[in-house]
Amino acid sequence: DSGVTQTPKHLITATGQRVTLRCSPRSGDLSVYWYQQSLDQGLQFLIQYYNGEERAKGNILERFSAQQFPDLHSELNLSSLELGDSALYFCASSVAPQGPTEAFFGQGTRLTVV
Amino acid sequence: AQTVTQSQPEMSVQEAETVTLSCTYDTSESDYYLFWYKQPPSRQMILVIRQEAYKQQNATENRFSVNFQKAAKSFSLKISDSQLGDAAMYFCAYRRGTSGTYKYIFGTGTRLKVLA
Repeated sequence: DSGVTQTPKHLITATGQRVTLRCSPRSGDLSVYWYQQSLDQGLQFLIQYYNGEERAKGNILERFSAQQFPDLHSELNLSSLELGDSALYFCASSVAPQGPTEAFFGQGTRLTVV
Repeated sequence: AQTVTQSQPEMSVQEAETVTLSCTYDTSESDYYLFWYKQPPSRQMILVIRQEAYKQQNATENRFSVNFQKAAKSFSLKISDSQLGDAAMYFCAYRRGTSGTYKYIFGTGTRLKVLA
């Protein structure tokens, strides 16, 4: 158990809908990362937050947004969903963005868009 | 921009044998960190080993060790005494050290099969 909690584990929704994925980082971790992994693909970086502030943005679609709340949990919002958005969405956390700290990953949320 | 390349989409190893997975990266930074993550069929991402670029000594974690060649920008993972439980996707990852953004950049992965 990495200590990073993601809910829900599985999500099936229809095209055009909106969903929210939730992540609770490890206790004490201030930095949260979101990644997307399509079937048998590598991990694509979406966005990073540190202590409530956005720190880095990857190839995140305009239909996607995220935030990190004062209690440090984070949410990834996906709207106007398309079939191609079906993927495994990972949240990871680390103590701080810099320094010799590794990212610990949650178990992921598997999103299926039908 | 930094990139990470894993040129072996798939590798096989006999149980109890040794296998080496390759990873190269491209960066102009001098301070950074390199990681190997394992993704078993459960899809959980599990850290295998970490290497700081400023350290010349290669990292070792039990049966896992790396060969870090900074000048060549190479970071290979050696798995000794392979076990059936080592079967998984292995991802090499890079992260900047001291400034700028700290996103982890992942390679495309190497699928390791362990043959009984």
